[in-house]
Amino acid sequence: KQEVTQIPAALSVPEGENLVLNCSFTDSAIYNLQWFRQDPGKGLTSLLLIQSSQREQTSGRLNASLDKSSGRSTLYIAASQPGDSATYLCALEGGGSNYKLTFGKGTLLTVNP
Amino acid sequence: ETGVTQTPRHLVMGMTNKKSLKCEQHLGHNAMYWYKQSAKKPLELMFVYNFKEQTENNSVPSRFSPECPNSSHLFLHLHTLQPEDSALYLCASSLFFGRPEGETTEAFFGQGTRLTVV
Repeated sequence: KQEVTQIPAALSVPEGENLVLNCSFTDSAIYNLQWFRQDPGKGLTSLLLIQSSQREQTSGRLNASLDKSSGRSTLYIAASQPGDSATYLCALEGGGSNYKLTFGKGTLLTVNP
Repeated sequence: ETGVTQTPRHLVMGMTNKKSLKCEQHLGHNAMYWYKQSAKKPLELMFVYNFKEQTENNSVPSRFSPECPNSSHLFLHLHTLQPEDSALYLCASSLFFGRPEGETTEAFFGQGTRLTVV
């Protein structure tokens, strides 16, 4: 059974800092990995999707990497801003005939002005 | 806005009530999902509908009853709920469930319904 772990559970940084959020998974047989953002009490917004054949994806100040062999993904946020404060979730779509998304518990990021 | 709309945004109901959650998408997607998000737990997949047919039921209690009348609308009918059912219920959609012809199945989520059972 796939297990997804996100460390740290919470992170507080000053504005302007570059930071890395981590996601690890136990089963490397994945099809893709998505990073989502969730504001308090709200739904999820998709940030980046990495196919299993890819190593990284970039969107603006965000860069996500994927290393299937080590079971790890990172989300790099450059020049953090208070508006980046949210919970960041990673989710994996299984390989083979397992199409379901398995989510981590998320990292709560607070960027202080 | 993700293109997936959920109503109501907040709902308080007694354990003997019957209520329904609604989800709507006009993204041209064929798969729709219900997820439950409880405090300090990962999102839990409840149901999947693909082309209006239920393809997944993750051992969800029968007090939760989904309905998918067409590919654009999804309902979750609630009756005789328990306080531990209080959670954020999220609807999502994707182009397909499964990977016909290797299509990417990026998921789009609604804003959720915050349900409180008293």
